[in-house]
Amino acid sequence: NAGVTQTPKFRVLKTGQSMTLLCAQDMNHEYMYWYRQDPGMGLRLIHYSVGEGTTAKGEVPDGYNVSRLKKQNFLLGLESAAPSQTSVYFCASSQTSGADTGELFFGEGSRLTVL
Amino acid sequence: GEDVEQSLFLSVREGDSSVINCTYTDSSSTYLYWYKQEPGAGLQLLTYIFSNMDMKQDQRLTVLLNKKDKHLSLRIADTQTGDSAIYFCAETSPRGNLIFGKGTKLSVKP
Repeated sequence: NAGVTQTPKFRVLKTGQSMTLLCAQDMNHEYMYWYRQDPGMGLRLIHYSVGEGTTAKGEVPDGYNVSRLKKQNFLLGLESAAPSQTSVYFCASSQTSGADTGELFFGEGSRLTVL
Repeated sequence: GEDVEQSLFLSVREGDSSVINCTYTDSSSTYLYWYKQEPGAGLQLLTYIFSNMDMKQDQRLTVLLNKKDKHLSLRIADTQTGDSAIYFCAETSPRGNLIFGKGTKLSVKP
């Protein structure tokens, strides 16, 4: 049972390039999330999804887009990367929301550097 | 808006107790959580407490909740080097997603 898998694990981009991070979960979870983790800033929610075909903005959505075409996958896109998007990105999934002890299961993270 | 505050660093000696503190703002949070992040890994749920409880104990872990002061603490008894990690406090936002604190890095010295 793989849990939550993120690809790629590492990527270096030049300013202005685009890329997509893929998150896949095999637990049939309804909810999926994308967070970024920066030193001294903790985890900040970028976008999330409460089910297949749905997406919603989190705390820091600007510069990112997401899609949830299949229940098991949640894609995070950067259309025109900026150095401020250098970060470690974490995907997470849960069966229910945090209001119902919805335990989040995290991937191992994707380290993105934008030069 | 929702906010979760916790100190950034804590250093203890092996065998001592560790106490990590957290304050939160949303009094309507149904549950409050502690997550643990080991180096190079994602977060893992350590424990959680229901908002109508004052205390929860799970082996070496004790969670204390003071709703009046919106204060949450995590006590780790007999701290081991394997407990070295970043510990995140989290509350539930009105939308149901979790709001995390910045994390407390626990260093355990032999």
